[in-house]
Amino acid sequence: NAGVTQTPKFQVLKTGQSMTLQCAQDMNHNSMYWYRQDPGMGLRLIYYSASEGTTDKGEVPNGYNVSRLNKREFSLRLESAAPSQTSVYFCASSGRGGYGYTFGSGTRLTVV
Amino acid sequence: GENVEQHPSTLSVQEGDSAVIKCTYSDSASNYFPWYKQELGKRPQLIIDIRSNVGEKKDQRIAVTLNKTAKHFSLHITETQPEDSAVYFCAAPFGAGGTSYGKLTFGQGTILTVHP
Repeated sequence: NAGVTQTPKFQVLKTGQSMTLQCAQDMNHNSMYWYRQDPGMGLRLIYYSASEGTTDKGEVPNGYNVSRLNKREFSLRLESAAPSQTSVYFCASSGRGGYGYTFGSGTRLTVV
Repeated sequence: GENVEQHPSTLSVQEGDSAVIKCTYSDSASNYFPWYKQELGKRPQLIIDIRSNVGEKKDQRIAVTLNKTAKHFSLHITETQPEDSAVYFCAAPFGAGGTSYGKLTFGQGTILTVHP
């Protein structure tokens, strides 16, 4: 039982490049989330998907897009990376009401 | 949306002492309050949570208390050990209907250091 799996673990991008962060969960959770974590800023919600087929913006959505591919998978795309997007990105999933929030191992992204 | 304030930002204790971290929230509809521990370079992991129908919950050396009237909840760690050193985050749900959509707003985190 893997829980929440994120790929890649590390990535270095040049400004203007694009990439997709992948996330998959095997806990049969309905809801999935993408957070970014910056020093001193805690965890900030980028986008979330309350259930399969729906997505919505969180606190800091600018510069990102998401796709809820099916119940298991939720991807985050950076279309044109900027240095301000250097951060650690965490995917998470939960059951109804936010119970049992489980995080993936994170992606450390550096944009140069 | 929900606003969660967490204090203190850093906490240093001696091994065996108690540690208390406090969070306040703004949305009176919130009814679920989890705490997460994040070790250096690792993912946040749920350590304890409380729902609004109880005032206190304990799990061995950790406990969480909730005061819904004052809109604050606290994490208590007793008999601290060096392996308790980590960043601790509180969280509360936000959005229409409190927990309806499951989104969590996190506090800014508390760096706990336990000195041997």
